[in-house]
Amino acid sequence: GIQVEQSPPDLILQEGANSTLRCNFSDSVNNLQWFHQNPWGQLINLFYIPSGTKQNGRLSATTVATERYSLLYISSSQTTDSGVYFCAVYGSNYKLTFGKGTLLTVNP
Amino acid sequence: DSGVTQTPKHLITATGQRVTLRCSPRSGDLSVYWYQQSLDQGLQFLIQYYNGEERAKGNILERFSAQQFPDLHSELNLSSLELGDSALYFCASSAGSSGNTIYFGEGSWLTVV
Repeated sequence: GIQVEQSPPDLILQEGANSTLRCNFSDSVNNLQWFHQNPWGQLINLFYIPSGTKQNGRLSATTVATERYSLLYISSSQTTDSGVYFCAVYGSNYKLTFGKGTLLTVNP
Repeated sequence: DSGVTQTPKHLITATGQRVTLRCSPRSGDLSVYWYQQSLDQGLQFLIQYYNGEERAKGNILERFSAQQFPDLHSELNLSSLELGDSALYFCASSAGSSGNTIYFGEGSWLTVV
């Protein structure tokens, strides 16, 4: 099946810092989504981005499908950004496969 | 609020028992997905239904079964429960069978003691 690798696995920031999270995938995909799992366990949709660039407030994402990677940018990070960020891809096997996530901790 | 509703939110049960988790998809969504999240296995895809039919199967144990009803709600049945089945079980839904945005419910926390 399709492989999804996220980096870095862990990231610690001071409030106000910027960060870039990366997602590499091993095959062509029909769908790529970024999620934020907050400390209460909720999985929150951030972006549906099979290709191109999107922005939503302090967050933006870029997917380069031909090179099989996606980037999530977080600017001016806040403590509420803490949690795990997952990349998930939907490949030809009709399964949404998740990466292992990036654990982000934003300190005040 | 994603629009996907899961019940119960928390459940504690004993080994060997059987439980049923329930999911109502977003209005208009035809696909329902079930995922299991445990500390050591991460987010694992279990099964997908589209408009009442099984669409894709993942790492679902034989002790587990699911179905999607004509009103599109879905149930995940877990039987002969073991300690290792303790996990957060998510339901998700999407409009189509593939390639659409997938929305997750808040999950059902299952603890097997």
